[in-house]
Amino acid sequence: EAGVAQSPRYKIIEKRQSVAFWCNPISGHATLYWYQQILGQGPKLLIQFQNNGVVDDSQLPKDRFSAERLKGVDSTLKIQPAKLEDSAVYLCASSLDLGGQFFGPGTRLTVL
Amino acid sequence: EDQVTQSPEALRLQEGESSSLNCSYTVSGLRGLFWYRQDPGKGPEFLFTLYSAGEEKEKERLKATLTKKESFLHITAPKPEDSATYLCAVMTGTASKLTFGTGTRLQVTL
Repeated sequence: EAGVAQSPRYKIIEKRQSVAFWCNPISGHATLYWYQQILGQGPKLLIQFQNNGVVDDSQLPKDRFSAERLKGVDSTLKIQPAKLEDSAVYLCASSLDLGGQFFGPGTRLTVL
Repeated sequence: EDQVTQSPEALRLQEGESSSLNCSYTVSGLRGLFWYRQDPGKGPEFLFTLYSAGEEKEKERLKATLTKKESFLHITAPKPEDSATYLCAVMTGTASKLTFGTGTRLQVTL
């Protein structure tokens, strides 16, 4: 069974630029999550989708971050404009039910 | 607000030296407690889910236990390949939100 796919794996941008990350969840998983993991910390939930509807985006900085999940499968997370403090690993995860969430390899973002 | 505290922050063991990692939590309405393993440069890898106090689960050299206030991850006779960061997370709320601790970095040496 293929795992969660993410791209790109690494991205370096200047502050105030925009960036987008892509995620393809495990086939059949209705729930998709985006997390931000700052070095030395645990992942922090940014947004959770159930199919193509948003379930929780309470910790998403909506002035600069946006996410969508068209057709209830793939998802993109965008940052515009980026700030230095956005440097982190962005993790995508998916789950079938209330059991374990399965994570992708992440995208490491460096904002200079 | 849900809080998850993991200790110790870092742990260095010799091969074969058993130990335990702690995850204490303060939440309203625990729906489940999760343990993950994270290797450098990779996403977290799911290990266990525990749903109620008294529950235990095992996988190879790892055993997870749960009480009403904390969970332990026991590592028996660890090997160097067990070196990783171990994360615990609590699931709460109707949306099944996960709140993670900061992890324990485990290093197992020969």
